[in-house]
Amino acid sequence: DTGVSQDPRHKITKRGQNVTFRCDPISEHNRLYWYRQTLGQGPEFLTYFQNEAQLEKSRLLSDRFSAERPKGSFSTLEIQRTEQGDSAMYLCASSWRRGSGETQYFGPGTRLLVL
Amino acid sequence: KQEVTQIPAALSVPEGENLVLNCSFTDSAIYNLQWFRQDPGKGLTSLLLIQSSQREQTSGRLNASLDKSSGRSTLYIAASQPGDSATYLCAVFSGGYNKLIFGAGTRLAVHP
Repeated sequence: DTGVSQDPRHKITKRGQNVTFRCDPISEHNRLYWYRQTLGQGPEFLTYFQNEAQLEKSRLLSDRFSAERPKGSFSTLEIQRTEQGDSAMYLCASSWRRGSGETQYFGPGTRLLVL
Repeated sequence: KQEVTQIPAALSVPEGENLVLNCSFTDSAIYNLQWFRQDPGKGLTSLLLIQSSQREQTSGRLNASLDKSSGRSTLYIAASQPGDSATYLCAVFSGGYNKLIFGAGTRLAVHP
């Protein structure tokens, strides 16, 4: 299977704990995106990488959030000191950016519940 | 600032009906527009992608059109089936934003 994979699929944690999510993109894709989706809303952009460089971060990404993509392969998204408002679906997508335009392919998401 | 709006927010139809989902966007300078399907608690499945130079794309019973100048797209579903029940999301990609910007979706229920 060469699709985008995410791990874990579900995470329940207590407020104040740290959590880390992993995304494995389609292998030849140079761009990787993180989005967050709350109930009844469309996904909202958090950050993206081109190869290993993090090129943009949304204002939604507070100081408690950090993302990495070492060696331009898989990516991790860490949330420190989780809050109940962090409860959401975290979606990862990858694409091959060549020239203008691209098609993003999404993973199944990680659903986070903060108690 | 690019904003994407989807109408209606929810739709319930009997099986067999043809239906139209609407998407509008405020900044016409887009590279492409994608329609996605999302089942409850699941990730996104890409249905159709329309490049900015195209007017429409078709896949099976689905047809998506794009009118970039007026900032509108429609997703047409022919002969709807209960298996089409899901949330349909529209998203635009433009170089100035370097990300997909989504609407809130249309929640579709097709009943037998």
